[in-house]
Amino acid sequence: EDQVTQSPEALRLQEGESSSLNCSYTVSGLRGLFWYRQDPGKGPEFLFTLYSAGEEKEKERLKATLTKKESFLHITAPKPEDSATYLCAGQGAQKLVFGQGTRLTINP
Amino acid sequence: DTGVSQDPRHKITKRGQNVTFRCDPISEHNRLYWYRQTLGQGPEFLTYFQNEAQLEKSRLLSDRFSAERPKGSFSTLEIQRTEQGDSAMYLCASSDGWEGYNEQFFGPGTRLTVL
Repeated sequence: EDQVTQSPEALRLQEGESSSLNCSYTVSGLRGLFWYRQDPGKGPEFLFTLYSAGEEKEKERLKATLTKKESFLHITAPKPEDSATYLCAGQGAQKLVFGQGTRLTINP
Repeated sequence: DTGVSQDPRHKITKRGQNVTFRCDPISEHNRLYWYRQTLGQGPEFLTYFQNEAQLEKSRLLSDRFSAERPKGSFSTLEIQRTEQGDSAMYLCASSDGWEGYNEQFFGPGTRLTVL
């Protein structure tokens, strides 16, 4: 059965303190690994898609990387507005299989 | 705004009542997905459509749940005889393209509370 696991469940950082979020996956016939950001009470907001091991994508303070078993979301010098839940999802056939998310809090 | 829209945003109902939610996808997106999210968890897949055809349903989708996408445009999700366990955020997403590699864009969700 396809499975996606994220760690840690929650992470508190000081403004400017860089860190990484982990996403481990076992998805049969992986077609893409997706990262989303979700603010409280809202739908997930698309960030990145990674298609093959070794691929990297960047957007502002965020960089996503992919290996054959894991993906990492690196956040560099975060700001309080980066506080959100970050969701990772693997796509096998059509549906997305999500992890439980990492709740990130950036303190000023 | 050309994003995915959902209506209503919030629904409070009593156990045993029927509820229906609507999703309007991004214009011309041929794939439409329904997910359910409970507090502290990631979204779980319920079903998806390619145009008007419902191509996959999760085992989570009991016979009390039914989804339609007439004419391949908007979609409705109906829950009959609601139970307290149905309380969740119901999310709709749409994507473009036939190969399934394209990103799924989500709507704001409908939060259902069953009393």
